[in-house]
Amino acid sequence: SYVVTQPPSVSVAPGQTASITCGGNYIGSRSVHWYQQKPGQAPVLVVQDDSIRPSGIPERFSASNSGNTATLTISRVEAGDEADYSCHVWDRFSDHMIFGGGTKLTVL
Amino acid sequence: EVQLVQSGAEVKKPGESLKISCQGSGFIFSNYWIAWVRQMPGKGLEWMGTIYVGDSDIKYSPSFQGQVTISADKSISTAYLQWSSLKASDDAMYYCARQGGGTSCFDYWGQGTQVTVSS
Repeated sequence: SYVVTQPPSVSVAPGQTASITCGGNYIGSRSVHWYQQKPGQAPVLVVQDDSIRPSGIPERFSASNSGNTATLTISRVEAGDEADYSCHVWDRFSDHMIFGGGTKLTVL
Repeated sequence: EVQLVQSGAEVKKPGESLKISCQGSGFIFSNYWIAWVRQMPGKGLEWMGTIYVGDSDIKYSPSFQGQVTISADKSISTAYLQWSSLKASDDAMYYCARQGGGTSCFDYWGQGTQVTVSS
């Protein structure tokens, strides 16, 4: 079955740019979605279909998807961005949903 | 306003049965796929399965096929996740989520139901 891989953790200083990757075989040919989950809260969709920001999500959140890597980029990182970020793809061959293992973003 | 409201926390013993619920409002529930997602303590999100409420078409993750049952009652805009015999390994937070129209993303999530299984 299809597998997507995320780094367990990423650290960044406030005001800097954080990049969180989601790797998978030819992931660029699939739609990738990203979720933010803060401790004790339900996940929140922050990017859908590779690069579309849902209403209410700051412009600081952007994403891209090409080749074997999808990337979530958070510009001008704030303390409030500290959370777990998970990628999600639909495997059209099996018709199953796949989540990455999640990346913990730490704001130094 | 779109909302998914889940039933409250449960404490059960191994071998007991359980059915948790997810009620939608603010949208036409029967027109959407509703998914269930497990999150074990300190771990990532795992897709368990998805039901199209309109006709109860269900897709299960191979990891959960035969272990749980997903169902829905469109007359009361509610989806369900049930176990016939809980195991200690079922101890987790369970979320329902709406799959967006025309996309595979989960655009709205319930608040989660904590299931504790302990003897």
